[in-house]
Amino acid sequence: DGGITQSPKYLFRKEGQNVTLSCEQNLNHDAMYWYRQDPGQGLRLIYYSQIVNDFQKGDIAEGYSVSREKKESFPLTVTSAQKNPTAFYLCASKPGGVDEQYFGPGTRLTVT
Amino acid sequence: GESVGLHLPTLSVQEGDNSIINCAYSNSASDYFIWYKQESGKGPQFIIDIRSNMDKRQGQRVTVLLNKTVKHLSLQIAATQPGDSAVYFCAESWDTGRRALTFGSGTRLQVQP
Repeated sequence: DGGITQSPKYLFRKEGQNVTLSCEQNLNHDAMYWYRQDPGQGLRLIYYSQIVNDFQKGDIAEGYSVSREKKESFPLTVTSAQKNPTAFYLCASKPGGVDEQYFGPGTRLTVT
Repeated sequence: GESVGLHLPTLSVQEGDNSIINCAYSNSASDYFIWYKQESGKGPQFIIDIRSNMDKRQGQRVTVLLNKTVKHLSLQIAATQPGDSAVYFCAESWDTGRRALTFGSGTRLQVQP
């Protein structure tokens, strides 16, 4: 059963703590993306990676970090430097030569 | 697209009617456009896409129209069903390097039975 998995679905953290969100895909896709979605808004790009061991900042990278050590995994760390971390986080992937992105089910992060 | 915060534009239609959802995109250099459907608490699902060398593309019950002159995209859903109720996003892509999508703020479609 192929697809993109994100875990956990809900995550709660105290302010000042770093937290890592998981994203795994078994679609053999080259590129992976992280987006953030706030209530009633569209998705904004945090980071993306087009190949293993390489990643680039998106439009709102401040306070976030990523790694791409394996093709199938692209974890996102929300650091204490992110001023408003509470949001819905979506991971996506796509194969090379195609523009359609496939999304995971998302992780809702609440920081109090 | 411009953010509308918590107050998404809402389109309310009767079951069986046709729906038209509009989107103004931002970059005249965009060469790829896509519509996603997002149900509450879930990730976006692909509906249909279109490249800038086309004006119209049809899928099953859905049609996307592209007007590059006025930078406008529309999604038409035929015979709308209650299961079509969701938030619909258009997205564009123009950056040949990263090929990331830039999303609009979305439209909520409510289908009345």
